[in-house]
Amino acid sequence: DAGVTQSPTHLIKTRGQQVTLRCSPISGHKSVSWYQQVLGQGPQFIFQYYEKEERGRGNFPDRFSARQFPNYSSELNVNALLLGDSALYLCASSGGTGVISGANVLTFGAGSRLTVL
Amino acid sequence: GNSVTQMEGPVTLSEEAFLTINCTYTATGYPSLFWYVQYPGEGLQLLLKATKADDKGSNKGFEATYRKETTSFHLEKGSVQVSDSAVYFCAPSLGNTPLVFGKGTRLSVIA
Repeated sequence: DAGVTQSPTHLIKTRGQQVTLRCSPISGHKSVSWYQQVLGQGPQFIFQYYEKEERGRGNFPDRFSARQFPNYSSELNVNALLLGDSALYLCASSGGTGVISGANVLTFGAGSRLTVL
Repeated sequence: GNSVTQMEGPVTLSEEAFLTINCTYTATGYPSLFWYVQYPGEGLQLLLKATKADDKGSNKGFEATYRKETTSFHLEKGSVQVSDSAVYFCAPSLGNTPLVFGKGTRLSVIA
């Protein structure tokens, strides 16, 4: 079975541009979460989606947005890129019921590494 | 909200040495506790978890015990291998809040 897949794996953008990152969850998982991991730091929570609805949002500006599609895949969009947005963006899926729960184990993809110049 | 403090890295050990990575957390309730591992070039993987006080999570020779009295979840392994070289993240999760990850501890095991 395929795990969580993310694309692209690497990309380079310049300041002010926009980027879209994509994620396909494990088959049967309806919940997708996005995390930002800056070099040398732990992942920071950005969003969680379940059944196409936003169920949680971290402390990120409105430049960050996301959506989930009927097939449970998800996109993360970042507008007006800043140098500080350079990071590894991780997508995770879980088989939970949509409530963010400590009991839900997250399965992570390998991430999309974004470099903003 | 939840917060977590992890032992600063990097940690460099010889093969077969004993490993301890300290983790303490702050939470208003009784969180579930996780250790995730990130191997070079890969995403995070769940290593082990514990969901209530005194539970011991274990996997691949690693262990961690949920200590409510000291709000700790230290990771241990009796004999590390080169293949254990990775970054280890402690993460508490309370109820309906997302995981809060520590800064990570990089472990390098040399032969």
